[in-house]
Amino acid sequence: QKEVEQDPGPLSVPEGAIVSLNCTYSNSAFQYFMWYRQYSRKGPELLMYTYSSGNKEDGRFTAQVDKSSKYISLFIRDSQPSDSATYLCAMSHLLNDYKLSFGAGTTVTVRA
Amino acid sequence: KAGVTQTPRYLIKTRGQQVTLSCSPISGHRSVSWYQQTPGQGLQFLFEYFSETQRNKGNFPGRFSGRQFSNSRSEMNVSTLELGDSALYLCASSLAAPNEQFFGPGTRLTVL
Repeated sequence: QKEVEQDPGPLSVPEGAIVSLNCTYSNSAFQYFMWYRQYSRKGPELLMYTYSSGNKEDGRFTAQVDKSSKYISLFIRDSQPSDSATYLCAMSHLLNDYKLSFGAGTTVTVRA
Repeated sequence: KAGVTQTPRYLIKTRGQQVTLSCSPISGHRSVSWYQQTPGQGLQFLFEYFSETQRNKGNFPGRFSGRQFSNSRSEMNVSTLELGDSALYLCASSLAAPNEQFFGPGTRLTVL
């Protein structure tokens, strides 16, 4: 079993819909949680970062962490065709631990 | 501010050969991490360097090695290439925290 599980999709939604993405993890030592967006033929781009449990909002993006359930989510409101990409969750144990554990990534297509 | 650059962008090698990939971090960033991305395994951590010292290492065989120079540029080397080494190799640099890693576009390695 992988440390981080993420449904690879694909996920297809109409423009303007809410996109809901999630990851589960098995290692309770994870404390730092990140979401990356990766366009085709590009490197991952950091979208959101949260520490421990709670919510964080940035524009149309909201990240949620539930450590008791070992479950994290990313919501994209008012989705746009430009949001079409692969979304990867990542997490690490300690602040200075540069070893990130990634989910498999979910491919999202927003239809115009 | 220039982003992370990786060279070459594409590489084709045959089994048994060796390869060297290069990464130039964002100016001022002293931490450089390397990841392997494949469709089957997703993004997997290879190693991380800071001030010319390897601080973290993932679970890859000794054929995978790296180094960092005094100007923070980093190289990774794969010896005795195998078909399974075909992947996108990503480099990420960071100024101070693992939650703020900035990725380059990657080097696409194909082993024939």
